[in-house]
Amino acid sequence: GENVEQHPSTLSVQEGDSAVIKCTYSDSASNYFPWYKQELGKRPQLIIDIRSNVGEKKDQRIAVTLNKTAKHFSLHITETQPEDSAVYFCAASIESEYIFGTGTRLKVLA
Amino acid sequence: DGGITQSPKYLFRKEGQNVTLSCEQNLNHDAMYWYRQDPGQGLRLIYYSQIVNDFQKGDIAEGYSVSREKKESFPLTVTSAQKNPTAFYLCASTPGHLNTGELFFGEGSRLTVL
Repeated sequence: GENVEQHPSTLSVQEGDSAVIKCTYSDSASNYFPWYKQELGKRPQLIIDIRSNVGEKKDQRIAVTLNKTAKHFSLHITETQPEDSAVYFCAASIESEYIFGTGTRLKVLA
Repeated sequence: DGGITQSPKYLFRKEGQNVTLSCEQNLNHDAMYWYRQDPGQGLRLIYYSQIVNDFQKGDIAEGYSVSREKKESFPLTVTSAQKNPTAFYLCASTPGHLNTGELFFGEGSRLTVL
């Protein structure tokens, strides 16, 4: 089955700097790659997603890139703010099965 | 107000007891999921269902059981066979198996075995 690896497990950045989180997947048939943000004690919420026919997608300060050949995708957050502090999860989906990475705890230092 | 409702929010269980977690959605979604969340291990798939009266095992199905008798409901039973059931359980749904897209999550149920 699909396997998703996510790095790093923790990431600390200064406010205003950029943050990058990387994920790799094993099944080349996966075709949908969402990113979720989970604040402490709350449910995960979708922040951006990308499909396998697109290489890059951007939404304000957040962008996702996908390299199908290498089977990896990355989340980029620019101009980080304290409210970006949370746990971020990547996922890969194939035929309605969603497999998540182990999460990255992002801390934005003021 | 549409969404996914999980209950109870907190649950305590003695060893050897079965417990059932409820998940109800009024989003008219076909597909529903159960995930287990442990610190440092992300979200691990327990079971998922793409349609009524059908479901598939995820990576960690042992010790759990589910049913999907109604489109709106996907209860999860944690049986006494589950060796380490203390965890945070998340239910999710998405529109359909032919339309891969956003997973909508419930608020979760925290199970503690005493």
